[in-house]
Amino acid sequence: DADVTQTPRNRITKTGKRIMLECSQTKGHDRMYWYRQDPGLGLRLIYYSFDVKDINKGEISDGYSVSRQAQAKFSLSLESAIPNQTALYFCATSDLGTGGRDEQFFGPGTRLTVL
Amino acid sequence: QKEVEQDPGPLSVPEGAIVSLNCTYSNSAFQYFMWYRQYSRKGPELLMYTYSSGNKEDGRFTAQVDKSSKYISLFIRDSQPSDSATYLCAMSAAGGTSYGKLTFGQGTILTVHP
Repeated sequence: DADVTQTPRNRITKTGKRIMLECSQTKGHDRMYWYRQDPGLGLRLIYYSFDVKDINKGEISDGYSVSRQAQAKFSLSLESAIPNQTALYFCATSDLGTGGRDEQFFGPGTRLTVL
Repeated sequence: QKEVEQDPGPLSVPEGAIVSLNCTYSNSAFQYFMWYRQYSRKGPELLMYTYSSGNKEDGRFTAQVDKSSKYISLFIRDSQPSDSATYLCAMSAAGGTSYGKLTFGQGTILTVHP
């Protein structure tokens, strides 16, 4: 059973459409993250949340918004999708361990194509 | 200039070879250093974790951190076809607003052929 799930796994949409990507976790972690992955650019942080009431912008938040509905759920929205938002999107969770270790656990990813 | 630089490869080696993957970084506040492995169509998984400078060994994998040179490496001995994946270095700072946030390298695509 997957600890971090993402829906949908694949999505094709058109420019200007509103899109929501959802992430759920059963690990009981407080911290959740959204990344996008592009070829040659690695993983870039979009938004992160250290608890339900704490939402922070990451490196590339423009054009995105998030909602932390519960400890276990963190959604990413594209209000008006554009083609350069075509990418692989990952949700991750973590819980601060002993000594500051902060291992992040990733979901399987959502492949988004904006036409 | 990116905070973390990683040679994207791709890297192709024969089975049994020793593989060296490297990252350089510019932020001296980084204290925690990680290597993630990502198989095709999967999310990244933590492979190695080190704190500050030094070496860490786990089976065929060895992670090295040289903070004076701002350079980290991952060595894979006796590489296997199952090691074929994208390897991502990641780093985070201790304390402050950066605490808990990872900065990733671009990833190196490794193929080990039989």
